[in-house]
Amino acid sequence: GAVVSQHPSRVICKSGTSVKIECRSLDFQATTMFWYRQFPKKSLMLMATSNEGSKATYEQGVEKDKFLINHASLTLSTLTVTSAHPEDSSFYICSATERTGGTDTQYFGPGTRLTVL
Amino acid sequence: AQKVTQAQTEISVVEKEDVTLDCVYETRDTTYYLFWYKQPPSGELVFLIRRNSFDEQNEISGRYSWNFQKSTSSFNFTITASQVVDSAVYFCALSELTGGGNKLTFGTGTQLKVEL
Repeated sequence: GAVVSQHPSRVICKSGTSVKIECRSLDFQATTMFWYRQFPKKSLMLMATSNEGSKATYEQGVEKDKFLINHASLTLSTLTVTSAHPEDSSFYICSATERTGGTDTQYFGPGTRLTVL
Repeated sequence: AQKVTQAQTEISVVEKEDVTLDCVYETRDTTYYLFWYKQPPSGELVFLIRRNSFDEQNEISGRYSWNFQKSTSSFNFTITASQVVDSAVYFCALSELTGGGNKLTFGTGTQLKVEL
């Protein structure tokens, strides 16, 4: 089955530093990846759509300069949280879209728990 | 705008009971896809099923079954003979077809607790 990995799984950083999170599709190519944020006991909030070879599309209210997305290849997308602050602490989840039979299905990574001190 | 409603915030059942998780959606699209994902305590979302809007056949996979009713815009999920390992948050999602990938709208999730 389709497998998506995320690295790191957990990161603790000091306020003001930048953190990079990697999302990889391991056994398929994904032209589209998505980045979500999830607060405790809440649903997933879509942050941005990442397309290989083009700029990411951000959802309303998401600061593109704060959350930098780079979709470098068909198997890798990165999310960089720049100048992180405690309010950025959250669970970040990526997904990669696999197309089979003309239909797209999103497969999710295991998530990255970010804690900003 | 698309919307997915999971009215049940939390459900508790005793092992071996059957349980149904409700999902109601709204969309103006004539072609769309519906999904169910499971999120165990570990946090990873596990894909369970995808259903397109043209296929109203119910589906069964082991102890899992899904009832798609287009007339009532519902896509309910039933677990038969529940087990403790079924304890998780279950999300229903609706896709908005964008070029090259489907943008998902998630419901708020239903926390299922299966106790011995």
